[in-house]
Amino acid sequence: EAGVTQFPSHSVIEKGQTVTLRCDPISGHDNLYWYRRVMGKEIKFLLHFVKESKQDESGMPNNRFLAERTGGTYSTLKVQPAELEDSGVYFCASSSGLELEQYFGPGTRLTVT
Amino acid sequence: DAKTTQPTSMDCAEGRAANLPCNHSTISGNEYVYWYRQIHSQGPQYIIHGLKNNETNEMASLIITEDRKSSTLILPHATLRDTAVYHCIAPNTGTASKLTFGTGTRLQVTL
Repeated sequence: EAGVTQFPSHSVIEKGQTVTLRCDPISGHDNLYWYRRVMGKEIKFLLHFVKESKQDESGMPNNRFLAERTGGTYSTLKVQPAELEDSGVYFCASSSGLELEQYFGPGTRLTVT
Repeated sequence: DAKTTQPTSMDCAEGRAANLPCNHSTISGNEYVYWYRQIHSQGPQYIIHGLKNNETNEMASLIITEDRKSSTLILPHATLRDTAVYHCIAPNTGTASKLTFGTGTRLQVTL
């Protein structure tokens, strides 16, 4: 069974530019989560999809972040316009409706210069 | 989420058992205890979870006290590859809930 995949693995952009991160969850997993870890800080929750619906977006930092999961399969997280403080590692995780554990992807390291 | 408290760091000799404690004195009756670990900069890896009974899988054992106010993750034969930050988490709902990561315990396995 393929795990959670994320693309790209690294992204370096300039302040003010736009970046889109993609997450492909484990096939059949209805729950999809985005987390991020900024330098020196703990991993923080961003939002949770159940299929294509946003179940909980309480962790989204501001309206420069837009997450979508059209069709309930893969998800994208767009940052527009990017700011320096958006630098960090963005993790995606998925879980099925029956299991309690979340499976994480390898993360996307975003650097905003 | 129930607040969890873990030691900042621990050392363990390779081949010995690593016992990582976690206090969760405010845990409620339906809150599970999850353990994850993060090796270097990789994504967190699920290890084990439990409610009130002790649990064992191919990676570790989880011992939960009868009053559920604390638990211990046991890696029976630690290897160098087990060096990681271990997180004890008790989300406030039983299923499909966001995870709140703290600083965890940094386990260093040495030769």
